[in-house]
Amino acid sequence: EPEVTQTPSHQVTQMGQEVILRCVPISNHLYFYWYRQILGQKVEFLVSFYNNEISEKSEIFDDQFSVERPDGSNFTLKIRSTKLEDSAMYFCASSEALGIKGYTFGSGTRLTVV
Amino acid sequence: DAKTTQPPSMDCAEGRAANLPCNHSTISGNEYVYWYRQIHSQGPQYIIHGLKNNETNEMASLIITEDRKSSTLILPHATLRDTAVYYCIVRVAGYSTLTFGKGTMLLVSP
Repeated sequence: EPEVTQTPSHQVTQMGQEVILRCVPISNHLYFYWYRQILGQKVEFLVSFYNNEISEKSEIFDDQFSVERPDGSNFTLKIRSTKLEDSAMYFCASSEALGIKGYTFGSGTRLTVV
Repeated sequence: DAKTTQPPSMDCAEGRAANLPCNHSTISGNEYVYWYRQIHSQGPQYIIHGLKNNETNEMASLIITEDRKSSTLILPHATLRDTAVYYCIVRVAGYSTLTFGKGTMLLVSP
């Protein structure tokens, strides 16, 4: 069964540093998403991306964050100047269309900011 | 905030049916009911969705009441690997955001 692949599985970074989280969505999917989950809290929507541009974003997704699809297969989330409170699991997801079908999520990247 | 209400936890014996309830009394006519689950901090996994008819797939069945104000996810023969947090989510078709609540922690015991 097709999978969404995320790398790395765990990233430790120092406060103030920039990190890039990488995702390879399912190949025929057109819509891409990032969600995050702070330890012990709910899964929260960050951003959706379609046709090389952001289609929706949450209040969490401020100027510190950016997304990019640098080539035909990768989808990245960049966090500039990381803060302690950015420590969380970050999940990438993709879907065929913006319809009624469910998303496929990756297994996540655990980001630890120290 | 999530538009659904679920019990925080439930227990089920292995091999028995697990029936997970969800209230969504303010659901709109164009909103679907989705169920996802999350096994120990892994990425959420899509299970099933429905609009007003009951649905069944290889993982589960979804029963939606006639007034659509509540639904039940049924795992017909729960296994230990079904231990997870189960999320009931209502979402407008064509709208990208999934709003997760706290879900129901299902513990399947031997």
